[in-house]
Amino acid sequence: NAGVTQTPKFQVLKTGQSMTLQCAQDMNHEYMSWYRQDPGMGLRLIHYSVGAGITDQGEVPNGYNVSRSTTEDFPLRLLSAAPSQTSVYFCASTAGTLLDNEQFFGPGTRLTVL
Amino acid sequence: RKEVEQDPGPFNVPEGATVAFNCTYSNSASQSFFWYRQDCRKEPKLLMSVYSSGNEDGRFTAQLNRASQYISLLIRDSKLSDSATYLCVVIISGSARQLTFGSGTQLTVLP
Repeated sequence: NAGVTQTPKFQVLKTGQSMTLQCAQDMNHEYMSWYRQDPGMGLRLIHYSVGAGITDQGEVPNGYNVSRSTTEDFPLRLLSAAPSQTSVYFCASTAGTLLDNEQFFGPGTRLTVL
Repeated sequence: RKEVEQDPGPFNVPEGATVAFNCTYSNSASQSFFWYRQDCRKEPKLLMSVYSSGNEDGRFTAQLNRASQYISLLIRDSKLSDSATYLCVVIISGSARQLTFGSGTQLTVLP
């Protein structure tokens, strides 16, 4: 199994550009999440999905959209990039409930917005 | 006050030392607790769950103190390869919105 994969690994955008961060998992996990990680702060939840066709907002959803058309894929779209969105983005998936199951993370996308 | 707080460190310890980290949480309804390890510029990976009775995995011991609302991680006989940032995770319910990561404690084990 490849686990959780993310593309691209690195990206530089100009303010106002849009782009999609890709995330895929091959473990048939229902639960998927997007986090951002900034220096000195814990991972913060952007959006999450409990299954295909179901998404919901996390702690910091503004400026981001998600969709979940299949169990495997959970792309994150930046609508109009801003410097405040410079961060490291991690996608994660979990089997079953978060209460007692491991979250598997992708390798991350390092995004810089100029 | 943050929901989950960790001492950011850095903790610099010699090889073979014992080191302990604490993580405090504010919501007494929290149900599940984990320690994750994150190497520099890598993704977090699960180190261990934390159970009410305390649990051990080799050189690592995790404990939960519900009365004082903190969890701890003890690393015995530190190895160079233990150098990483250790993140605590506190979950109130099964929803991702009620899962909180601490900002992490940085550990460097020195030769």
